[in-house]
Amino acid sequence: DVKVTQSSRYLVKRTGEKVFLECVQDMDHENMFWYRQDPGLGLRLIYFSYDVKMKEKGDIPEGYSVSREKKERFSLILESASTNQTSMYLCASSSLGDRGIVDYGYTFGSGTRLTVV
Amino acid sequence: GEDVEQSLFLSVREGDSSVINCTYTDSSSTYLYWYKQEPGAGLQLLTYIFSNMDMKQDQRLTVLLNKKDKHLSLRIADTQTGDSAIYFCAEKAGANNLFFGTGTRLTVIP
Repeated sequence: DVKVTQSSRYLVKRTGEKVFLECVQDMDHENMFWYRQDPGLGLRLIYFSYDVKMKEKGDIPEGYSVSREKKERFSLILESASTNQTSMYLCASSSLGDRGIVDYGYTFGSGTRLTVV
Repeated sequence: GEDVEQSLFLSVREGDSSVINCTYTDSSSTYLYWYKQEPGAGLQLLTYIFSNMDMKQDQRLTVLLNKKDKHLSLRIADTQTGDSAIYFCAEKAGANNLFFGTGTRLTVIP
């Protein structure tokens, strides 16, 4: 019954590598989000997307890019991984708001713990 | 901008009640949510409350909303060791985005 799938639970990458984190949802949601989670800092929004081929910067986009070629898939790209990008990365999706029905908020994936060495 | 605040830690004894508090700043919030994150996992929706409600009860969980003070709380009755987790409150302000607090780590002492 998994609805938001992140391709890897754990990843170890070397400094300078290009890293792809994949997220797929099967709920036909319009909105998708990438967060990173660090102790004491909560969730910080990296990028989000309201539609295919659309992206918006969140609070901490530096060092990251995203791709949304299909509605169900939202990829986070670390162009040149650095040790300060070691973190837990969480993908989430949600349906378009203000439809007059109950809004259940976001559905999250299980997370990808990325270590950059 | 929106700001959602929570204390970082809470410890309770097994069988006691836990109360996790949250304050938010956006008075136009339509929904407020509580999410639970178990170790090494993503966030799961625990419960939500619509902004025109004062209280919502769901088994051992009670959510209280004080709109005047912009204060949200989550009470867990008869807290069990399986309730140990990080609890995030979140507010929905606008059509699509949620704003999350920093999370409260609840530790249940046997």
